[in-house]
Amino acid sequence: AQTVTQSQPEMSVQEAETVTLSCTYDTSENNYYLFWYKQPPSRQMILVIRQEAYKQQNATENRFSVNFQKAAKSFSLKISDSQLGDTAMYFCAFMKQWTGGGADGLTFGKGTHLIIQP
Amino acid sequence: NAGVTQTPKFRVLKTGQSMTLLCAQDMNHEYMYWYRQDPGMGLRLIHYSVGEGTTAKGEVPDGYNVSRLKKQNFLLGLESAAPSQTSVYFCASSRPRTSGYEQYFGPGTRLTVT
Repeated sequence: AQTVTQSQPEMSVQEAETVTLSCTYDTSENNYYLFWYKQPPSRQMILVIRQEAYKQQNATENRFSVNFQKAAKSFSLKISDSQLGDTAMYFCAFMKQWTGGGADGLTFGKGTHLIIQP
Repeated sequence: NAGVTQTPKFRVLKTGQSMTLLCAQDMNHEYMYWYRQDPGMGLRLIHYSVGEGTTAKGEVPDGYNVSRLKKQNFLLGLESAAPSQTSVYFCASSRPRTSGYEQYFGPGTRLTVT
């Protein structure tokens, strides 16, 4: 079974600063995906960014980027130029990919509550 | 497109009562999932389905049953509700491998069992 650990229960930064959220995972699988999901107070789960394990290049989506270290089983999220609307719970998640092309459900970490201060 | 919808949005049950949560998606996705979210926890997988007529157990399946009779619907049943099943329940559906297995989530159902 896979486990996902987010060691920062809560973080607070000033608007426009850069912040990095940590995530480590434990797996014996070689083919998998990693995700960061955002959950604002509305409770809606929103995909922030996705990384395929076989890709060495780190994924980026506008102000969001990841630092994927496969050997260290680390998958951190960097948010640049943080905005008030980034205030939310952030969840790191792991998905095992099957040999035949299918995939399991997501295994989530416990989340990091990110607060952006004006 | 409505995306993923869940019915109902809120529900209060007494211990021992039964109920069914309905999830519907209009994106023609093959994969569908049920998760629960408890305070201080991430979402945990209850059951999932990789296609019409198929279901599989996730991390916390005890006390729940599911059915996928139609591709667009995934039902989660509680036969005899217990206070430990008080939670927020999320349904999700997934795009295929070519689209990176992105999961689209419904708005959640808050269930309280007294």
